[in-house]
Amino acid sequence: GQQVMQIPQYQHVQEGEDFTTYCNSSTTLSNIQWYKQRPGGHPVFLIQLVKSGEVKKQKRLTFQFGEAKKNSSLHITATQTTDVGTYFCAGNSGAGSYQLTFGKGTKLSVIP
Amino acid sequence: ETGVTQTPRHLVMGMTNKKSLKCEQHLGHNAMYWYKQSAKKPLELMFVYSLEERVENNSVPSRFSPECPNSSHLFLHLHTLQPEDSALYLCASSEGRWATEAFFGQGTRLTVV
Repeated sequence: GQQVMQIPQYQHVQEGEDFTTYCNSSTTLSNIQWYKQRPGGHPVFLIQLVKSGEVKKQKRLTFQFGEAKKNSSLHITATQTTDVGTYFCAGNSGAGSYQLTFGKGTKLSVIP
Repeated sequence: ETGVTQTPRHLVMGMTNKKSLKCEQHLGHNAMYWYKQSAKKPLELMFVYSLEERVENNSVPSRFSPECPNSSHLFLHLHTLQPEDSALYLCASSEGRWATEAFFGQGTRLTVV
């Protein structure tokens, strides 16, 4: 079955440093989504990427979808303490599937 | 407020108990999901309902029994659970297939003793 690997599992950064998490799928994806879960909270949708090579930005967050539609990354510039949480990627294989396959997530800690 | 409400927020139950988790969405979505989130594991999809019909069941043990009486409500009936079933159970909804943006509820933290 489809597998989505996400690295690193944990990342500790000093406030103001950049942060990147990477996601790799064992199969080609129809689309990929990114979610953020704050400590004690629930996953909240950030963005969806659909096109090969797509790049989207949300303020300090930059999302990329690989040319082969099998990998993706989330980059945060100049982290802030409000960025703390776990970031999940979730891939959809398409073909009418309802299923999102989630990565294990990257837990980001920001040291003030 | 996400538009997806789950009750209860916390539940402690014995292995011989029967309990139900409830989820309600106010977004007009036609697909609803149950996910299990355990420590150090990815979010695991348990069940998917589309227009009140179960469309996916990811080999979940029969001690978990879903029910979708209408497109706004989803239940997860629990009986004779095991301690390893302790987890955060998340309900989500979306507009439809192709796994469009999922809106999650706040979850039910379940502890089986």
